[in-house]
Amino acid sequence: AQTVTQSQPEMSVQEAETVTLSCTYDTSESDYYLFWYKQPPSRQMILVIRQEAYKQQNATENRFSVNFQKAAKSFSLKISDSQLGDAAMYFCAYGETSGSRLTFGEGTQLTVNP
Amino acid sequence: DVKVTQSSRYLVKRTGEKVFLECVQDMDHENMFWYRQDPGLGLRLIYFSYDVKMKEKGDIPEGYSVSREKKERFSLILESASTNQTSMYLCASSQAGTGGSSGEAFFGQGTRLTVV
Repeated sequence: AQTVTQSQPEMSVQEAETVTLSCTYDTSESDYYLFWYKQPPSRQMILVIRQEAYKQQNATENRFSVNFQKAAKSFSLKISDSQLGDAAMYFCAYGETSGSRLTFGEGTQLTVNP
Repeated sequence: DVKVTQSSRYLVKRTGEKVFLECVQDMDHENMFWYRQDPGLGLRLIYFSYDVKMKEKGDIPEGYSVSREKKERFSLILESASTNQTSMYLCASSQAGTGGSSGEAFFGQGTRLTVV
């Protein structure tokens, strides 16, 4: 079974600074998806960024980018120019290409200090 | 705007009650999921369904059952609620894994269930 591990329960960053959230996973598959979801206090899960394992190029969405290291099974999220609205719980998730399920990590609570 | 709607945002039930959590999606997705979210444990999959009347156990199915009679609706049932089922419950849906699938799951707003 696939597992996802987020080793940082809490992180903090100063507004306008850069922060990196870590995620490792374990799988025997060669093709899969990886995701970062954000859950603000409203509880609504929002997709931040998505990576397809067969693509070597790291995904980027505006201030959010990932460092995908397939051999190391590592998938970190970098948030540049942090904003107060980035404060949330962030979840790393592994997805099977069949779309049948997502496996989540434990989550990292990000605080942004003004 | 795509939408997954859960019937209740907050729910308080008594121990031993039968509890129904309802979820409806309007995206014609084949897959639907029920997750449980607890602090420090992330989201854990309870059950998922990949078609009408089809279901598969997730990682923590004990004490729960599900029903999917229509494609757009997926219900989670607690046959006899217990205090250790106090938690946040999240419903999600996704497109089946075809060439057009992004793999992304869309979530409801969550139901915070308290069993007293």
